[in-house]
Amino acid sequence: DTGVSQDPRHKITKRGQNVTFRCDPISEHNRLYWYRQTLGQGPEFLTYFQNEAQLEKSRLLSDRFSAERPKGSFSTLEIQRTEQGDSAMYLCASSLGESEQFFGPGTRLTVL
Amino acid sequence: DQQVKQNSPSLSVQEGRISILNCDYTNSMFDYFLWYKKYPAEGPTFLISISSIKDKNEDGRFTVFLNKSAKHLSLHIVPSQPGDSAVYFCAASGVRAGNMLTFGGGTRLMVKP
Repeated sequence: DTGVSQDPRHKITKRGQNVTFRCDPISEHNRLYWYRQTLGQGPEFLTYFQNEAQLEKSRLLSDRFSAERPKGSFSTLEIQRTEQGDSAMYLCASSLGESEQFFGPGTRLTVL
Repeated sequence: DQQVKQNSPSLSVQEGRISILNCDYTNSMFDYFLWYKKYPAEGPTFLISISSIKDKNEDGRFTVFLNKSAKHLSLHIVPSQPGDSAVYFCAASGVRAGNMLTFGGGTRLMVKP
């Protein structure tokens, strides 16, 4: 399978715990994006990377959130001290330059 | 302030008929528009896109129309098939925002056999 992959697909955690998600983009894609989707809403942009450089961050990305793409390939999104309001689907997408973005299956986070 | 709006949360269409999904936007800096389809427990799947220099783009059963003066776009699916039943998201991007996408809230399409 050469699409975007995300791990884990589901994560249940207790409030206050830290969680980390991983995204593996399509191999030749140099751009990688993170979005968050809550029930009944469209995805909302969080941040994006061009190669290893983080170029844009949404105001939705509080200081409890950090994203990395250390070698310009896979990316991680970490949420520290999770809150119930962090419960959502976290989507990763990749693109080649400014071409269309292709999305992964998402990681569903539930904070108890 | 929602910059991309899909005012119909759901749409029901008979198989074989035309499905028309609508989307409005407010930000005149948007210059590229996309439609994504989403099945439950899956990520959005890219369907079709249109640049602001065009007013129509066609791909098989799917056609997207853009009316810049009205800040409105629509997706036509002809003929509709039961497998088209999904949530459809309209998205927009502008050059200055890189390729960050701003999504509408989605329209759930149900195609009845």
